[in-house]
Amino acid sequence: ETVMTQSPTTLSVSPGERATLSCRASQSISTNLAWYQQKPGQVPRLLIYGASTGATGIPARFRGSGSGTEFTLTISSLQSEDFVVYYCQQYYNWPLTFGGGTKVEI
Amino acid sequence: EVQLLASGGGLVQPGGSLRLSCAASGFTFRNYAMSWVRQAPGKGLEWVSSISVGGDTTHYADSVKGRFTISRDDSKYILSLQMSSLRADDTAIYYCSPRGPSGFYFDYWGQGALVTVSS
Repeated sequence: ETVMTQSPTTLSVSPGERATLSCRASQSISTNLAWYQQKPGQVPRLLIYGASTGATGIPARFRGSGSGTEFTLTISSLQSEDFVVYYCQQYYNWPLTFGGGTKVEI
Repeated sequence: EVQLLASGGGLVQPGGSLRLSCAASGFTFRNYAMSWVRQAPGKGLEWVSSISVGGDTTHYADSVKGRFTISRDDSKYILSLQMSSLRADDTAIYYCSPRGPSGFYFDYWGQGALVTVSS
């Protein structure tokens, strides 16, 4: 099983600042990585797939990068609605696995 | 517009069974592999099971293997998850989702079905 480890668990930043979220895979997954955002009481929303391709309608301030085992989600200028939880997910092999999540807070 | 309407959730005793259904619309269901993903209250996301186009290949998380069965009815645009020998740690919202165009990521999520396993 490919274990996905997200860090930090909680990230404290200020509005307008840049946030950098990390996701590490226990083995190489090439670029088969997705990022999701989940607001309280809502279903997850796909942000990034293929490690760096933005999903439809996702603001440009969300940028994904990385390959192999190390991946990063960068939010260039945090807006108030961005202070929520983010998950990474690998889809390189079975079982599909998610990271434990990073909560971005003020 | 893609819609995924999950139903069949509810309260069940440990050891009991439940069948979830997901009615899909807004896309050509038979052309997409489908998956179930769950989220326990206050916890993260966990992939549960996936089924291929045509239904001949299925995958399961170790946590549900041997207890859950995924299936699909392409004529009715319905994805199902038969759950048996339910345990307290199966308590979660269960979401269905089609495979993305270039991999098993999840672009569309319904509102899910809440399953509560408790005596």
